[in-house]
Amino acid sequence: GDSVTQMEGPVTLSEEAFLTINCTYTATGYPSLFWYVQYPGEGLQLLLKATKADDKGSNKGFEATYRKETTSFHLEKGSVQVSDSAVYFCALTLIKAAGNKLTFGGGTRVLVKP
Amino acid sequence: SQTIHQWPATLVQPVGSPLSLECTVEGTSNPNLYWYRQAAGRGLQLLFYSVGIGQISSEVPQNLSASRPQDRQFILSSKKLLLSDSGFYLCAWSVEDRSYNEQFFGPGTRLTVL
Repeated sequence: GDSVTQMEGPVTLSEEAFLTINCTYTATGYPSLFWYVQYPGEGLQLLLKATKADDKGSNKGFEATYRKETTSFHLEKGSVQVSDSAVYFCALTLIKAAGNKLTFGGGTRVLVKP
Repeated sequence: SQTIHQWPATLVQPVGSPLSLECTVEGTSNPNLYWYRQAAGRGLQLLFYSVGIGQISSEVPQNLSASRPQDRQFILSSKKLLLSDSGFYLCAWSVEDRSYNEQFFGPGTRLTVL
């Protein structure tokens, strides 16, 4: 079946540090890939997405590139802020999947200290 | 623009009591609707999804049920709550799209069963 694996947290960083969260996937078809962010006590927000190989999604200083050859979609940010403290979820969906279902990774908690 | 509402925001219920959580979507027609549960410090578990009125697909056999009485209304219910039903419940919606299947999440309901 389809699955998403992401690094376990928590990841603790100092402000202005470089952040990388690894995400790899297995899929029976050609997936679209997403990163969602969940701030404390809130629902999930879409952070960025990529729909085909070599696409780069970017938003709020975060980037992730769809690497089909390594089945990866790693999230990066060059200089994190305290406000980036959140849980980050990698997810995939297959085109025309029944009910447009998403498959999520387990989430990675990031804590940025001032 | 589209918005999604969930209520209540928080709920404390005794074991064995009934449950009804409601989710409504505005600004779109015939959305796919989803219920997820997030246990403390854990990832997301898809509970139910619906592609239309009265159409419910269950992902995980459990103590919960879902109904969709109207196009943009999705209800999560239980006749008798268990301690293990505690968690953060998220509703989400999406629209069929040939490019990708982005889901939009509500603010969530935090349920504590005592």
